[in-house]
Amino acid sequence: TQLLEQSPQFLSIQEGENLTVYCNSSSVFSSLQWYRQEPGEGPVLLVTVVTGGEVKKLKRLTFQFGDARKDSSLHITAAQPGDTGLYLCAGAKMGSSNTGKLIFGQGTTLQVKP
Amino acid sequence: SAVISQKPSRDICQRGTSLTIQCQVDSQVTMMFWYRQQPGQSLTLIATANQGSEATYESGFVIDKFPISRPNLTFSTLTVSNMSPEDSSIYLCSVGRGTTEAFFGQGTRLTVV
Repeated sequence: TQLLEQSPQFLSIQEGENLTVYCNSSSVFSSLQWYRQEPGEGPVLLVTVVTGGEVKKLKRLTFQFGDARKDSSLHITAAQPGDTGLYLCAGAKMGSSNTGKLIFGQGTTLQVKP
Repeated sequence: SAVISQKPSRDICQRGTSLTIQCQVDSQVTMMFWYRQQPGQSLTLIATANQGSEATYESGFVIDKFPISRPNLTFSTLTVSNMSPEDSSIYLCSVGRGTTEAFFGQGTRLTVV
């Protein structure tokens, strides 16, 4: 069974602080995605990383895929209250390309206080 | 991306009854999936809805409890049968199209009393 361990599960910080969320596994994934979910909504895709060592930036968010494609991180610089939400990492099982069938981490609930 | 509409968005149901959730996509997609998200937790895949054949269920989920239909490439339904309070969750429809990424509907928040 391929599992994704996400940490921390809860994070409460002040506006302007930096934070990093980690997503780790003992298994190799063909790709990893990061989603953000707000209350009453479905998860919204932020980014997909595919290549080992890949780094992608989305404004104040930086995503990294580990060299061995077993782990990923999400770093937010100068967090804002609008960043509050549930952040989910998800991996595509090996051999499941072109399907959208995913395994999700436990999620990180982020609260950014003004 | 795809526009995915789920109905109902929320419902409160009596235990022992059944609820059917609909998922409509704005374009044809090969793969459709149903997930469950229990309160304060992450997403767990229930099943893959296959067009023209029986759904493929993940470990711990069975067809008698969660029957799924997929009559065409843009529509699917999930029924939660003989509900109990433990079935109170958010149920999410998602699609994958050409990549490993998934796009989600807004979810159906089910409360069983």
